[in-house]
Amino acid sequence: DAGVTQSPTHLIKTRGQQVTLRCSPKSGHDTVSWYQQALGQGPQFIFQYYEEEERQRGNFPDRFSGHQFPNYSSELNVNALLLGDSALYLCASSLGTGVLSSYNEQFFGPGTRLTVL
Amino acid sequence: EDQVTQSPEALRLQEGESSSLNCSYTVSGLRGLFWYRQDPGKGPEFLFTLYSAGEEKEKERLKATLTKKESFLHITAPKPEDSATYLCAALTSGTYKYIFGTGTRLKVLA
Repeated sequence: DAGVTQSPTHLIKTRGQQVTLRCSPKSGHDTVSWYQQALGQGPQFIFQYYEEEERQRGNFPDRFSGHQFPNYSSELNVNALLLGDSALYLCASSLGTGVLSSYNEQFFGPGTRLTVL
Repeated sequence: EDQVTQSPEALRLQEGESSSLNCSYTVSGLRGLFWYRQDPGKGPEFLFTLYSAGEEKEKERLKATLTKKESFLHITAPKPEDSATYLCAALTSGTYKYIFGTGTRLKVLA
């Protein structure tokens, strides 16, 4: 069973550039969440996609945007990169947001390490 | 404001020395409390989900418990391979947002 996959593994960009990160959810999962994890910190919630729509959003500026495709895969786009955007970007997948407790468990991918110079 | 606090920030144990990690949460309704293990440079690995006060779950040397204000991750007779950062996260009711703590960095010495 393929787990959550992310690409690329590492990425180096310069300030002001734009970046796109990609995520394929665990087989059978339909919900994708994105997180930013700075060194030594816990993951910070960026947003969540379900049924191709942004369902929830954390405290991130509009420079961070995303998309979910019909096959449930997802992209995270960051425009006008800042030095502070350097972090590990994590994608997590889960099965819907229904009332059954097992639906809320998230499984994380290995992350994309973004370095902004 | 929803908040999750973990303590201690770092913990060094001798192999076989049992201990507990704490996760305190203040959220507007708890849907679930999650524990993850994260190795350096990798994504978090799911360990446990707890849904109601009094609930306990075990896996090998790990046992997670939940009260109305905090959760504990008990590590019994740890081994060096248990060295990692342990993260807890609260899933809030209604908003479906996961609020993570900053983690406890555990080092188990042989």
